[in-house]
Amino acid sequence: AQSVTQLGSHVSVSEGALVLLRCNYSSSVPPYLFWYVQYPNQGLQLLLKYTSAATLVKGINGFEAEFKKSETSFHLTKPSAHMSDAAEYFCAVSDGDEKLTFGTGTRLTIIP
Amino acid sequence: GAVVSQHPSRVICKSGTSVKIECRSLDFQATTMFWYRQFPKQSLMLMATSNEGSKATYEQGVEKDKFLINHASLTLSTLTVTSAHPEDSSFYICSAGTGLSSETQYFGPGTRLLVL
Repeated sequence: AQSVTQLGSHVSVSEGALVLLRCNYSSSVPPYLFWYVQYPNQGLQLLLKYTSAATLVKGINGFEAEFKKSETSFHLTKPSAHMSDAAEYFCAVSDGDEKLTFGTGTRLTIIP
Repeated sequence: GAVVSQHPSRVICKSGTSVKIECRSLDFQATTMFWYRQFPKQSLMLMATSNEGSKATYEQGVEKDKFLINHASLTLSTLTVTSAHPEDSSFYICSAGTGLSSETQYFGPGTRLLVL
């Protein structure tokens, strides 16, 4: 069985500052890893995914994440935060059966 | 990207009534559809997985008779909350997949259910 841990339920950064959202996973097989963003009262939008190709994955809206097997991590970063980045972010893992297991989410707040 | 719609987006019903939520993949054929429930400020909890033409697979702790799922075609899945009670109030989100685990699931915009 797989699981995901997101450290920090709330993260606040200043506009223009680096965004770092942490995700650690547990999986008995090579995982597929995803980051989704959710705006209030909306569904989830895929930011990026790792599917065993390049370990540094670039997504939409300037986000990227690096798969580090030795650290079992898949942290999400963005060099410069924008006000529109304020949302809930979910890390998710799949171990090949198409089911997604989600982390508990991190609410990102951008300080003007 | 692929589009998944849900209808209705918001529904208020009386306790004891049944509510049907539709999930449609608009521009691709969804081999598999997933239904999630999300409580306020919490993560998504998978309720069930449905494959077109077969019975849904429910996660542990989810009542099959309470949450009826029908996946009648490759573009439509429905979730019916039967005899709804206030504790069923939640945000229900569906997603659709192509059957490949490495592929993205596409999420609907969600349906907010309030049972009075």
